[in-house]
Amino acid sequence: ETGVTQTPRHLVMGMTNKKSLKCEQHLGHNAMYWYKQSAKKPLELMFVYNFKEQTENNSVPSRFSPECPNSSHLFLHLHTLQPEDSALYLCASSLSSGTSGGDEQFFGPGTRLTVL
Amino acid sequence: AQSVTQPDIHITVSEGASLELRCNYSYGATPYLFWYVQSPGQGLQLLLKYFSGDTLVQGIKGFEAEFKRSQSSFNLRKPSVHWSDAAEYFCAVGTPYGGSQGNLIFGKGTKLSVKP
Repeated sequence: ETGVTQTPRHLVMGMTNKKSLKCEQHLGHNAMYWYKQSAKKPLELMFVYNFKEQTENNSVPSRFSPECPNSSHLFLHLHTLQPEDSALYLCASSLSSGTSGGDEQFFGPGTRLTVL
Repeated sequence: AQSVTQPDIHITVSEGASLELRCNYSYGATPYLFWYVQSPGQGLQLLLKYFSGDTLVQGIKGFEAEFKRSQSSFNLRKPSVHWSDAAEYFCAVGTPYGGSQGNLIFGKGTKLSVKP
């Protein structure tokens, strides 16, 4: 595997379900990101992790819970979601975060989430 | 705080025609500037980036962009569009500062359609 991978690619869940999205990067990066991309809004940064520490939580509802056990893996735990949470969830990684805005972010293919 | 504006939501060009996608940014100094492309169902891929130096930047897939400080713009160009260029294009700005200001800010995107 190379680059940034995300699983599953598609997920359908009910509002009472609990599920998790997984992201893995094989680039030796130290920063990882979760973004939400919905049809009518720009790319929304949700969470940033730098060297496994959360450095940004962009006012995301608590029904989204991130976890970063090491610099290569990032999870997004989902519970009691709402239909408006249906979107494409993108994971990205970069060499580092917060030290400068010049590090290129590498994106995974995304997980298409549908909440019924 | 920095911001990015992509004035065109959707552009249609004929195959073989030239292309220019507009991007304007708001920032008090020279930011880092990026163009990403997203094909349907995929993550974002970096086309090119500007940090400093030559204001005309060459990227992958035959794309180039020109940084114009006086106009706060970073427009993306391609002399001859191919059908495979149909995708959504995102301009992004990063700053040389740390903290959350060092994260990338994305524009809303411009969707490119290519007519045969």
